[in-house]
This record gives sequence, C-alpha cells and structure tokens, in this order.
Amino acid sequence: KNEVEQSPQNLTAQEGEFITINCSYSVGISALHWLQQHPGGGIVSLFMLSSGKKKHGRLIATINIQEKHSSLHITASHPRDSAVYICAAHHNTDKLIFGTGTRLQVFP
Amino acid sequence: EAGVVQSPRYKIIEKKQPVAFWCNPISGHNTLYWYRQNLGQGPELLIRYENEEAVDDSQLPKDRFSAERLKGVDSTLKIQPAELGDSAVYLCASSPGTGGREQYFGPGTRLTVT
Repeated sequence: KNEVEQSPQNLTAQEGEFITINCSYSVGISALHWLQQHPGGGIVSLFMLSSGKKKHGRLIATINIQEKHSSLHITASHPRDSAVYICAAHHNTDKLIFGTGTRLQVFP
Repeated sequence: EAGVVQSPRYKIIEKKQPVAFWCNPISGHNTLYWYRQNLGQGPELLIRYENEEAVDDSQLPKDRFSAERLKGVDSTLKIQPAELGDSAVYLCASSPGTGGREQYFGPGTRLTVT
C-alpha cells in the first residue's frame, strides 16, 4: 500500500464542471503539497498547506489532519486545466512522498 | 526571479552510453533535490543536497549514478553506463531550506535510452 494515495487515477470532465481530486496519506506529515504537471514534464507547485484551506483563483485545497485527507477542487474547469495533479506529503523526516497522480482531461 | 533551470530538456542515447544532466537552482536556495519520475508514477528522490553536502543519497543507484554539487550552487547528475530502464524524466528541485519548506521544480530532462 502506498503511503500517499490519490483518487481517481483518471478524470474527464466537461468545461465548466466542478472537479475534486482526493488524497489520503498514512504517514506523519508537516505539510502537504498539491502539484501540477503538464505533458512537457515540468512541475508547478499549486499549494502547500498544513491545515485548513487555501484558495488561489479557481483552485481550492483543503486538508483534514485528523483524517489524513486532502482535496483539491477546481471550480469552473477549463481545458487548460488538463494536466496531471500530484499530491505530495512532506514527511516528518523531511522527505516528499508523492502520490501517483490524477490525470485530468477537461473537454470543451 | 528565475526558476530552477535544467538542461538539456530532452536527451536520447543508446544504452551503455554516458549521460549528464545539469541543474541550476533558484538563487539562495540551499537545498537541492534530484528526482526520477517513471512514466505514470510520482517522482522518486535520488539525492538531496544541503549546500554542497549530499545528506540523503540512499536511493541513488551508486553503481552507475553519480552526482555533485561542488560549490553548493548548481549540480550535475550523471549516469554511466545508461541502461534501458533509466528512461525517465529527471527532475531537479530546490528549496530555501528544510523542515517542510516548499520545493520548486525545474522543467525536467526527459531521457530516452534506446
């Protein structure tokens, strides 16, 4: 069992839909990251959070420390949101433990 | 502020050949990471530097992989000789410190070994 698990693995949506990607982890963490990776390979950090909720534009990330669960929401999705979204737990030993990613495709 | 710079972006080599990747972190970032990402997987840490010291290289296959960060700034990751299974994206990231600090990733180098 992976220490960081994401669901779903693949997600398709129509433009405008509300999207949720889930992340569960089983290790102690100091922070959790949500990352975006486009087909070219580069990774962009979207959020780093250790409690509560953060919002940036149409993106919202939440974390529940007690339940060891985080969600990434995209409101009013757009085709340019198509990418792989990766959850990464910043382990107490200072390592980043990555989920395998959620591949999102948003169709016009 | 410039981000993490990596070169080359793409590299195709034949097996048994050597290959090197270069990374220049964000200015002032003491911590530098090399990751390998296989297709459909999340990145896996190969080595982490604090300044010029490799503080975690437990996942680096030392028989064929080597890395250096001589002046505590830019870094080179080398594979010699490359094997077919080394085909992956090699990502460099930097951070202003440890203790849960945010990591900033470069664009990656996509290596194909034929």
